[in-house]
Amino acid sequence: NAGVTQTPKFRILKIGQSMTLQCAQDMNHNYMYWYRQDPGMGLKLIYYSVGAGITDKGEVPNGYNVSRSTTEDFPLRLELAAPSQTSVYFCASSYVMITGQSGANVLTFGAGSRLTVL
Amino acid sequence: DAKTTQPPSMDCAEGRAANLPCNHSTISGNEYVYWYRQIHSQGPQYIIHGLKNNETNEMASLIITEDRKSSTLILPHATLRDTAVYYCIVGIRGSTLGRLYFGRGTQLTVWP
Repeated sequence: NAGVTQTPKFRILKIGQSMTLQCAQDMNHNYMYWYRQDPGMGLKLIYYSVGAGITDKGEVPNGYNVSRSTTEDFPLRLELAAPSQTSVYFCASSYVMITGQSGANVLTFGAGSRLTVL
Repeated sequence: DAKTTQPPSMDCAEGRAANLPCNHSTISGNEYVYWYRQIHSQGPQYIIHGLKNNETNEMASLIITEDRKSSTLILPHATLRDTAVYYCIVGIRGSTLGRLYFGRGTQLTVWP
Protein backbone atom coordinates (compact mmCIF):
# COMPACT_ATOMS: atom_id res chain seq x y z
CA ASN A 1 0.00 0.00 0.00
CA ALA A 2 1.99 2.98 -1.31
CA GLY A 3 -0.63 5.68 -0.58
CA VAL A 4 -0.32 8.69 -2.88
CA THR A 5 2.62 8.61 -5.28
CA GLN A 6 3.80 11.69 -7.15
CA THR A 7 6.31 11.81 -9.98
CA PRO A 8 8.66 13.44 -10.68
CA LYS A 9 9.99 14.70 -7.34
CA PHE A 10 11.98 17.48 -8.99
CA ARG A 11 11.82 19.10 -12.41
CA ILE A 12 13.29 22.17 -14.08
CA LEU A 13 11.42 23.58 -17.07
CA LYS A 14 12.13 26.35 -19.49
CA ILE A 15 9.52 29.03 -20.09
CA GLY A 16 6.95 27.82 -22.60
CA GLN A 17 7.64 24.13 -22.15
CA SER A 18 4.90 21.69 -21.22
CA MET A 19 4.88 18.86 -18.77
CA THR A 20 2.62 16.57 -16.78
CA LEU A 21 2.86 15.89 -13.08
CA GLN A 22 1.70 12.39 -12.31
CA CYS A 23 -0.31 11.35 -9.28
CA ALA A 24 -1.51 7.87 -8.43
CA GLN A 25 -3.24 6.47 -5.36
CA ASP A 26 -3.86 2.85 -4.43
CA MET A 27 -6.39 3.37 -1.65
CA ASN A 28 -9.50 3.32 -3.85
CA HIS A 29 -10.26 6.92 -2.87
CA ASN A 30 -12.89 8.64 -4.97
CA TYR A 31 -11.66 12.17 -4.38
CA MET A 32 -8.36 13.59 -5.59
CA TYR A 33 -6.82 17.07 -5.47
CA TRP A 34 -3.93 19.18 -6.68
CA TYR A 35 -2.51 21.92 -4.48
CA ARG A 36 0.44 24.23 -4.98
CA GLN A 37 2.54 25.77 -2.23
CA ASP A 38 4.74 28.79 -2.80
CA PRO A 39 7.62 29.49 -0.38
CA GLY A 40 6.38 30.53 3.06
CA MET A 41 2.75 30.27 2.03
CA GLY A 42 -0.12 27.91 2.62
CA LEU A 43 -1.53 25.50 0.09
CA LYS A 44 -3.74 26.71 -2.73
CA LEU A 45 -6.20 24.37 -4.43
CA ILE A 46 -5.70 24.12 -8.19
CA TYR A 47 -8.18 21.44 -9.28
CA TYR A 48 -10.04 18.61 -7.67
CA SER A 49 -12.03 15.57 -8.72
CA VAL A 50 -14.83 13.77 -6.91
CA GLY A 51 -14.71 10.73 -9.19
CA ALA A 52 -13.55 9.38 -12.52
CA GLY A 53 -14.63 11.69 -15.32
CA ILE A 54 -15.51 14.56 -12.94
CA THR A 55 -13.19 17.50 -12.30
CA ASP A 56 -13.67 21.04 -11.05
CA LYS A 57 -11.63 24.20 -10.57
CA GLY A 58 -10.19 25.29 -7.26
CA GLU A 59 -8.74 28.67 -6.30
CA VAL A 60 -5.92 28.94 -8.86
CA PRO A 61 -6.72 26.86 -11.98
CA ASN A 62 -5.30 29.18 -14.64
CA GLY A 63 -2.41 27.66 -16.58
CA TYR A 64 -3.27 24.10 -15.60
CA ASN A 65 -5.40 21.25 -16.89
CA VAL A 66 -6.43 17.95 -15.33
CA SER A 67 -8.15 14.76 -16.33
CA ARG A 68 -9.46 11.83 -14.35
CA SER A 69 -9.96 8.80 -16.56
CA THR A 70 -9.45 6.26 -13.77
CA THR A 71 -10.04 6.22 -10.03
CA GLU A 72 -6.33 5.78 -9.38
CA ASP A 73 -4.74 8.52 -11.50
CA PHE A 74 -5.08 12.30 -11.56
CA PRO A 75 -2.41 13.95 -13.74
CA LEU A 76 -1.83 17.71 -13.74
CA ARG A 77 -0.82 19.27 -17.06
CA LEU A 78 1.10 22.52 -17.48
CA GLU A 79 0.79 23.61 -21.12
CA LEU A 80 2.98 26.73 -21.32
CA ALA A 81 5.20 26.91 -18.27
CA ALA A 82 5.73 30.34 -16.72
CA PRO A 83 8.03 31.45 -13.87
CA SER A 84 4.92 32.09 -11.74
CA GLN A 85 4.32 28.35 -11.76
CA THR A 86 7.53 27.70 -9.84
CA SER A 87 6.22 25.98 -6.75
CA VAL A 88 5.87 22.73 -4.86
CA TYR A 89 2.88 20.73 -6.04
CA PHE A 90 1.03 18.34 -3.76
CA CYS A 91 -1.45 15.73 -4.85
CA ALA A 92 -3.93 14.36 -2.32
CA SER A 93 -6.76 11.89 -2.17
CA SER A 94 -9.53 11.32 0.32
CA TYR A 95 -12.22 9.00 1.55
CA VAL A 96 -15.41 9.63 3.46
CA MET A 97 -14.95 8.68 7.10
CA ILE A 98 -17.94 6.71 8.28
CA THR A 99 -18.18 7.24 12.02
CA GLY A 100 -20.77 8.89 14.17
CA GLN A 101 -20.08 11.98 12.06
CA SER A 102 -20.61 10.99 8.44
CA GLY A 103 -19.47 13.14 5.55
CA ALA A 104 -16.02 14.02 6.89
CA ASN A 105 -13.24 14.47 4.34
CA VAL A 106 -9.79 13.25 5.43
CA LEU A 107 -6.99 13.85 2.93
CA THR A 108 -3.85 11.80 2.36
CA PHE A 109 -1.08 13.77 0.68
CA GLY A 110 1.78 12.76 -1.54
CA ALA A 111 5.37 13.81 -0.88
CA GLY A 112 5.25 16.65 -3.38
CA SER A 113 6.80 17.62 -6.72
CA ARG A 114 9.15 20.60 -6.78
CA LEU A 115 8.93 22.47 -10.08
CA THR A 116 11.21 25.31 -11.18
CA VAL A 117 10.50 27.30 -14.34
CA LEU A 118 13.41 29.33 -15.68
CA ASP B 1 -16.66 28.24 2.59
CA ALA B 2 -15.79 29.63 6.00
CA LYS B 3 -12.36 31.13 6.52
CA THR B 4 -10.09 30.58 9.49
CA THR B 5 -7.69 32.80 11.42
CA GLN B 6 -4.63 31.44 13.20
CA PRO B 7 -1.64 33.09 14.88
CA PRO B 8 1.38 32.95 12.57
CA SER B 9 3.67 31.40 15.16
CA MET B 10 3.81 29.87 18.62
CA ASP B 11 6.36 28.06 20.68
CA CYS B 12 6.22 25.48 23.41
CA ALA B 13 8.64 23.70 25.73
CA GLU B 14 9.17 20.01 25.14
CA GLY B 15 6.94 17.90 27.37
CA ARG B 16 4.42 20.68 27.91
CA ALA B 17 1.00 20.96 26.32
CA ALA B 18 0.79 22.95 23.09
CA ASN B 19 -2.54 24.75 22.64
CA LEU B 20 -3.10 26.06 19.12
CA PRO B 21 -6.10 28.38 18.66
CA CYS B 22 -8.21 28.89 15.56
CA ASN B 23 -11.04 31.32 14.85
CA HIS B 24 -13.75 30.36 12.36
CA SER B 25 -16.48 32.84 13.21
CA THR B 26 -18.37 32.38 9.91
CA ILE B 27 -18.55 28.59 10.13
CA SER B 28 -21.88 27.11 9.14
CA GLY B 29 -23.73 24.26 10.76
CA ASN B 30 -22.72 21.76 8.10
CA GLU B 31 -18.98 22.44 8.19
CA TYR B 32 -16.37 20.36 9.94
CA VAL B 33 -13.23 21.76 11.56
CA TYR B 34 -10.10 19.89 10.43
CA TRP B 35 -6.54 20.11 11.63
CA TYR B 36 -3.52 19.13 9.55
CA ARG B 37 0.17 19.66 10.06
CA GLN B 38 3.13 19.96 7.69
CA ILE B 39 6.58 19.02 8.88
CA HIS B 40 9.27 20.92 6.97
CA SER B 41 8.50 20.48 3.27
CA GLN B 42 6.64 17.18 3.52
CA GLY B 43 3.03 16.71 2.46
CA PRO B 44 0.49 17.77 5.10
CA GLN B 45 -0.65 15.11 7.55
CA TYR B 46 -4.18 14.76 8.93
CA ILE B 47 -4.47 15.14 12.71
CA ILE B 48 -8.10 15.33 13.79
CA HIS B 49 -11.50 16.76 12.90
CA GLY B 50 -14.76 17.62 14.65
CA LEU B 51 -18.21 19.02 14.09
CA LYS B 52 -19.42 20.29 17.46
CA ASN B 53 -18.26 17.85 20.11
CA ASN B 54 -14.76 17.68 21.52
CA GLU B 55 -12.66 14.95 19.98
CA THR B 56 -9.55 13.04 21.01
CA ASN B 57 -7.33 10.59 19.21
CA GLU B 58 -3.82 9.25 19.64
CA MET B 59 -2.28 12.42 18.25
CA ALA B 60 -4.25 15.27 19.79
CA SER B 61 -7.44 16.66 21.27
CA LEU B 62 -9.78 19.12 19.61
CA ILE B 63 -11.86 21.49 21.70
CA ILE B 64 -14.65 23.32 19.87
CA THR B 65 -16.51 26.15 21.60
CA GLU B 66 -20.23 25.82 22.07
CA ASP B 67 -20.97 28.50 19.47
CA ARG B 68 -18.50 26.75 17.11
CA LYS B 69 -16.79 30.02 16.29
CA SER B 70 -13.41 28.90 17.52
CA SER B 71 -11.45 25.78 18.37
CA THR B 72 -8.20 24.72 20.01
CA LEU B 73 -5.92 21.90 19.04
CA ILE B 74 -4.12 20.43 22.03
CA LEU B 75 -0.94 18.39 21.80
CA PRO B 76 -0.78 17.11 25.38
CA HIS B 77 2.96 16.42 25.61
CA ALA B 78 4.77 18.19 22.80
CA THR B 79 7.99 16.70 21.46
CA LEU B 80 10.64 18.15 19.16
CA ARG B 81 9.08 16.14 16.32
CA ASP B 82 5.88 18.15 16.70
CA THR B 83 7.64 21.22 15.31
CA ALA B 84 5.60 21.92 12.18
CA VAL B 85 3.10 24.24 10.53
CA TYR B 86 -0.41 23.49 11.80
CA TYR B 87 -3.39 24.23 9.58
CA CYS B 88 -6.94 24.71 10.80
CA ILE B 89 -9.47 24.48 7.98
CA VAL B 90 -13.19 24.09 7.61
CA GLY B 91 -14.95 21.98 5.04
CA ILE B 92 -18.52 21.29 4.07
CA ARG B 93 -19.89 17.89 4.94
CA GLY B 94 -22.10 16.00 2.56
CA SER B 95 -22.08 15.84 -1.21
CA THR B 96 -19.83 18.83 -1.89
CA LEU B 97 -16.78 17.34 -0.22
CA GLY B 98 -14.36 18.45 -2.89
CA ARG B 99 -13.04 21.69 -1.55
CA LEU B 100 -10.71 22.15 1.39
CA TYR B 101 -8.89 25.46 1.51
CA PHE B 102 -5.68 25.83 3.50
CA GLY B 103 -4.47 29.16 4.92
CA ARG B 104 -0.94 29.94 6.11
CA GLY B 105 -1.30 28.07 9.39
CA THR B 106 0.62 28.40 12.66
CA GLN B 107 4.30 27.61 12.84
CA LEU B 108 4.75 25.70 16.10
CA THR B 109 8.28 25.45 17.40
CA VAL B 110 8.95 23.03 20.24
CA TRP B 111 12.15 23.79 22.10
CA PRO B 112 14.15 21.47 24.38
